[in-house]
Amino acid sequence: DVVMTQSPLSLPVTLGQPASISCKSSQSLVYSDGNTYLNWFQQRPGQSPRRLIYKVSNRDSGVPDRFTGSGSGTDFTLKISRVEAEDVGVYYCMQGTHWPLTFGQGTKVEIK
Amino acid sequence: EVQLVESGGGLVQPGGSLRLSCAASGFTFRSQAMSWARQAPGKGLEWVAAISGSGAYTYYADSVKGRFTISRDSAKNTLFLQMNSLSAEDTAVYYCAKCPGSTSYGSLEYWGRGTLVTVSS
Repeated sequence: DVVMTQSPLSLPVTLGQPASISCKSSQSLVYSDGNTYLNWFQQRPGQSPRRLIYKVSNRDSGVPDRFTGSGSGTDFTLKISRVEAEDVGVYYCMQGTHWPLTFGQGTKVEIK
Repeated sequence: EVQLVESGGGLVQPGGSLRLSCAASGFTFRSQAMSWARQAPGKGLEWVAAISGSGAYTYYADSVKGRFTISRDSAKNTLFLQMNSLSAEDTAVYYCAKCPGSTSYGSLEYWGRGTLVTVSS
């Protein structure tokens, strides 16, 4: 199975400051069709997960542009340019290139 | 608006069975692959199973293979997860999720609110 390793696992951030989450996969996530199926999800407290980013860098409708996904191959990053109170929650990366689909352990973002 | 509403969760004894349902609306159900994922209390997310839009192809996590069966009824816009031989390790909130295409499983673009399954004597 492809192992997804996120860091850090806990991320205290000051409001208005940037935040960055790393996600590394144990194998390349480039699929035979040329796409890289790397996703980012946000799970706010008490809510179900919500997709933020798909195929590395494509932002979902309604997702603020302060969220940016980047990376390639086995190394990916989610950046929040200026953290707001509503960004508190757990963030997961997920690969959809190889079976079984696998998630990272999650990164808990909290306000300092 | 895409809506996914799970039901069928509850308390079941070890070794027992449960069937989860997911009522879908707001999109052409028969042409979209679907998945189930789960989250044990206080833990992270785990993908469980997926099914193609036609229902012809199914995929499972090793942890549930041979015990769980994913299926769909496109006439009723409903996704199912039949769970047998349940153990405490299966205790989790189970989420239904929509995939991007008929045989495109690379993402989980919409999620339901989940249904809690508790396996305990």
